Formats: sequence, structure tokens, C-alpha cells
Amino acid sequence: EAQVTQNPRYLITVTGKKLTVTCSQNMNHEYMSWYRQDPGLGLRQIYYSMNVEVTDKGDVPEGYKVSRKEKRNFPLILESPSPNQTSLYFCASSRDPRAYEQYFGPGTRLTVT
Amino acid sequence: AQKITQTQPGMFVQEKEAVTLDCTYDTSDQSYGLFWYKQPSSGEMIFLIYQGSYDEQNATEGRYSLNFQKARKSANLVISASQLGDSAMYFCAMRSPLYNQGGKLIFGQGTELSVKP
Repeated sequence: EAQVTQNPRYLITVTGKKLTVTCSQNMNHEYMSWYRQDPGLGLRQIYYSMNVEVTDKGDVPEGYKVSRKEKRNFPLILESPSPNQTSLYFCASSRDPRAYEQYFGPGTRLTVT
Repeated sequence: AQKITQTQPGMFVQEKEAVTLDCTYDTSDQSYGLFWYKQPSSGEMIFLIYQGSYDEQNATEGRYSLNFQKARKSANLVISASQLGDSAMYFCAMRSPLYNQGGKLIFGQGTELSVKP
């Protein structure tokens, strides 16, 4: 089954404790991205990757890091989480950025206290 | 700057009736794509329908249709014969050109639809 998986699905952590949210897709997609969703703001792009070892900033990259060492994986790293990073996070992938179908992961609900 | 506006934070519709969710967009690009996604209470994002800026016909997918009015820069979602399972948050989105952050999706604020029995 074609899918994007994220782990963990839910996470409560404390300020400053480094964490990683994993994202993996099994569709051999070139393009992957991370979004965060906040009430009243919709989803906003954090980082994206056009291919292995090619990543770039989206609209709200501050406080986040990513890496793309393998095509299938695109982890999101919060080196020192803060309460304003409490949000719902989505990973997405597509065959290429122009493809009309973008596949979203199930989301990771992060709470930073 | 590109922007998506959804002016209806919440809407109610009676089961089996049709409902229109509004979406207007702003872009200076000639080539763009417009999307609608459904987000049920469980949180996942479900792709519903896509309209390309050069598509002459309005997109349809089952009970969903997209009323695309290019001159007015609107891309309203029409759901026919609403069902209880249609209760969800709905997001309109636009894909920016490749040169702009890899063709990211720009989302509106969302419209929460409640279907009443």
C-alpha cells in the first residue's frame, strides 16, 4: 500500500529536549516536505527536499532542521523545542512538485511544555 | 505574494443538500494548481480534487466539483448530496511555481463543515 508514515503520532515533551519526527514514504517519490498546522493559519511549509541531499527552507524554518540521506526518509529535527513549536506536523511526498497528487502522512501532534 | 482566502470559518448544511465552500486566491503567475483537502477529526489530510489553471473544464470527482472562475480568482468546492461523513475541516490550497520553494502548497485557513441529520 502506497503511504507516508510518521512517527511518533503524538508526543509531549519539555522545552529544550531534542527530538526527531520521522517520515518515510514507500512510493520512490523525489519530492518531500514538512508542514505545520496551526489554528486559523492553515498549513505552512517548514522545509522541503527535491531529492537526496537537496533540502531548502520553506516559510517557517526557524527552530527546525531536516536531512535527506535516503530517498524514502525525511526526518524533522527540533534541536531545542520551545512551546511555540506546539503544533500538528505533516510530512508530504509526491512524484515531483508538479504532480497534482501530494500524499500526506497521518500527522504528528507535538506538545512542548 | 500568493495567498488563499477562505472566508467561512464554519458552515452548517442539512444532510442530502448541496453546499458550496468558498475559496479565493491571489497570484500573478499564469500557471498554478488549485487543490481541496478534507481533514476529518482524526486529523489526516485527504486529497479531494485538483484544478489546473489551464484546465478549461471544471474538475469533478464523484460528489465533489470545483467551480473554477479564473477571472474572479475563485475556486469554490461544491459538495452535492451531503452526508454525515462529510463533516470535517476543508482546506483550499494553491501550488506555487517550482521556483518558489519547490512548488509548495499554500493553504487557506480552512472551513469547518458540519452536516446535520
